[in-house]
Amino acid sequence: AQSVTQLGSHVSVSEGALVLLRCNYSSSVPPYLFWYVQYPNQGLQLLLKYTSAATLVKGINGFEAEFKKSETSFHLTKPSAHMSDAAEYFCAVSDQDSSASKIIFGSGTRLSIRP
Amino acid sequence: GAGVSQSPRYKVAKRGQDVALRCDPISGHVSLFWYQQALGQGPEFLTYFQNEAQLDKSGLPSDRFFAERPEGSVSTLKIQRTQQEDSAVYLCASSLLSVGQGLYGYTFGSGTRLTVV
Repeated sequence: AQSVTQLGSHVSVSEGALVLLRCNYSSSVPPYLFWYVQYPNQGLQLLLKYTSAATLVKGINGFEAEFKKSETSFHLTKPSAHMSDAAEYFCAVSDQDSSASKIIFGSGTRLSIRP
Repeated sequence: GAGVSQSPRYKVAKRGQDVALRCDPISGHVSLFWYQQALGQGPEFLTYFQNEAQLDKSGLPSDRFFAERPEGSVSTLKIQRTQQEDSAVYLCASSLLSVGQGLYGYTFGSGTRLTVV
């Protein structure tokens, strides 16, 4: 069974500081990995995805994530936080091999930005 | 439409009442998923359709939950005899492909917030 673990339910950083949101995955087969962002009262928006083409993945809004198989990690980073980055972030995994692979989400990390 | 549309946005139901939540996926999308998101939690998978066929309903929490997609487009999630623990946001998502959805991820709707009182 696949799963993701997000370390830290709440992360607070100052505006302009580095953002690091941690995600570790568990999968017995090659995974697809995703980061989604959710703003209040909205659905989930895809930030970026890893599909085995490149281990460093760049997404929207200046975010990027690096797939590290040896560490089973897919941490999300952004060099300089903006106030508009405050939201809930979800790491997710799905199975590359299945023809009907559902996406499994982590429990989320709420990112707060201090002025 | 341009995105996944869900209605109603908000629903308040009295305990024991039946509710029906609607999802209009992006036109032409083959795959459709329903997720349940409790307050402060990540979305939990409920069920998956490929066109009109319900291929996976392993996440439905009880036989009070029922989903259908009779013509392979609009889907309805029905909850019978609602209970307080059913209070959550119900998210619908669609994907163009029937295989390898992971290549594209899903497009999510804004959800229906169900409150059972």
